Amino acid sequence: DQQVKQNSPSLSVQEGRISILNCDYTNSMFDYFLWYKKYPAEGPTFLISISSIKDKNEDGRFTVFLNKSAKHLSLHIVPSQPGDSAVYFCAASDDGNQFYFGTGTSLTVIP
Amino acid sequence: DAGVIQSPRHEVTEMGQEVTLRCKPISGHDYLFWYRQTMMRGLELLIYFNNNVPIDDSGMPEDRFSAKMPNASFSTLKIQPSEPRDSAVYFCASSSDISTDTQYFGPGTRLTVL
Repeated sequence: DQQVKQNSPSLSVQEGRISILNCDYTNSMFDYFLWYKKYPAEGPTFLISISSIKDKNEDGRFTVFLNKSAKHLSLHIVPSQPGDSAVYFCAASDDGNQFYFGTGTSLTVIP
Repeated sequence: DAGVIQSPRHEVTEMGQEVTLRCKPISGHDYLFWYRQTMMRGLELLIYFNNNVPIDDSGMPEDRFSAKMPNASFSTLKIQPSEPRDSAVYFCASSSDISTDTQYFGPGTRLTVL
């Protein structure tokens, strides 16, 4: 049973617009969340994280929002660039050691 | 479907011992990936298979690591001899279509080498 879900397998966005990638989880004990970015034929690379004591974390064009009551987090990319085209995985943990991954969302930014 | 199954979930061993991690992908998935996760390096792709054939093993850290996929429903990652720096969580993931990159991750095996 997937404890972390990314219900949109793919997303297309025009360059310059906002990309919003969503992630839902079921375990209320999760208190640390990460986003990974993956290019084809490469391993995922860490992008941004958030702990449950916050509801927002920002790093440049990337912002992660956490809604604990809804068990939902989202990654916003503003403005989107063609180089952002990749697969984005969200992951969650309840102890900082064991992580549960979503299945990924493939983002295409159209020039 | 039960999803990707990994065993054992936890493994504690002593330096120098051989360690074997096991993975059963989702039935019908042609791609299988092995990842290692540490706090320092995050998630690293070690190797992936397509139709039981290793395609890219450039992420395998050294000769002490080996991976096999004898059939479509089973893969192993072996470390021999193990070292304390191998302590990490090892994930297996499977996919039916590498072009979409949707991957289903297993629960991971937490390896501790003393």
